[in-house]
Amino acid sequence: GQNIDQPTEMTATEGAIVQINCTYQTSGFNGLFWYQQHAGEAPTFLSYNVLDGLEEKGRFSSFLSRSKGYSYLLLKELQMKDSASYLCAVRDSNYQLIWGAGTKLIIKP
Amino acid sequence: IAGITQAPTSQILAAGRRMTLRCTQDMRHNAMYWYRQDLGLGLRLIHYSNTAGTTGKGEVPDGYSVSRANTDDFPLTLASAVPSQTSVYFCASSDQLAGHNEQFFGPGTRLTVL
Repeated sequence: GQNIDQPTEMTATEGAIVQINCTYQTSGFNGLFWYQQHAGEAPTFLSYNVLDGLEEKGRFSSFLSRSKGYSYLLLKELQMKDSASYLCAVRDSNYQLIWGAGTKLIIKP
Repeated sequence: IAGITQAPTSQILAAGRRMTLRCTQDMRHNAMYWYRQDLGLGLRLIHYSNTAGTTGKGEVPDGYSVSRANTDDFPLTLASAVPSQTSVYFCASSDQLAGHNEQFFGPGTRLTVL
């Protein structure tokens, strides 16, 4: 079966750095996405990786290792507004997204 | 309209009733999707459409139907609602010919079936 694993919840301090991990087992791989979802709102696109390595976009970076079935989202200089759920999704061989359950990130002052 | 909209925002429905959730996008995206989101679970695909006039079944299609008469609209119908269909429903769209083909989401419909 297809499976996306990410921690259920993480806590970090304002101004610090946090890494959210995602491991996947899917039928085929055509890219990995990270989305941010604030409570009661829709998911919004953060990043996309299809080749191994690090993609940097401002305070957010995303890493992919296809051989290990592993990705992480790195958030630097954390701000209170970064409190949200972070969703990992893999596009499979049918070009459909398979979603993880999300990681709820709590930022403390 | 800017982006993707859904209606209603929320609804309480008696079991056995028929309900249509509406979704409209103005981005001229070819592909559209319906997901449900339940606590502790990832988004699960109900139905999708890669282009106007075509639809396909996702992971959890039972009890739901869709149509795609034109590019902009993608309604989701529950023919006879059951309590297990209580969920938050998100509609999304993407341009499969551009960029990463990331999906853009509507604001969601919170549905409660009693």
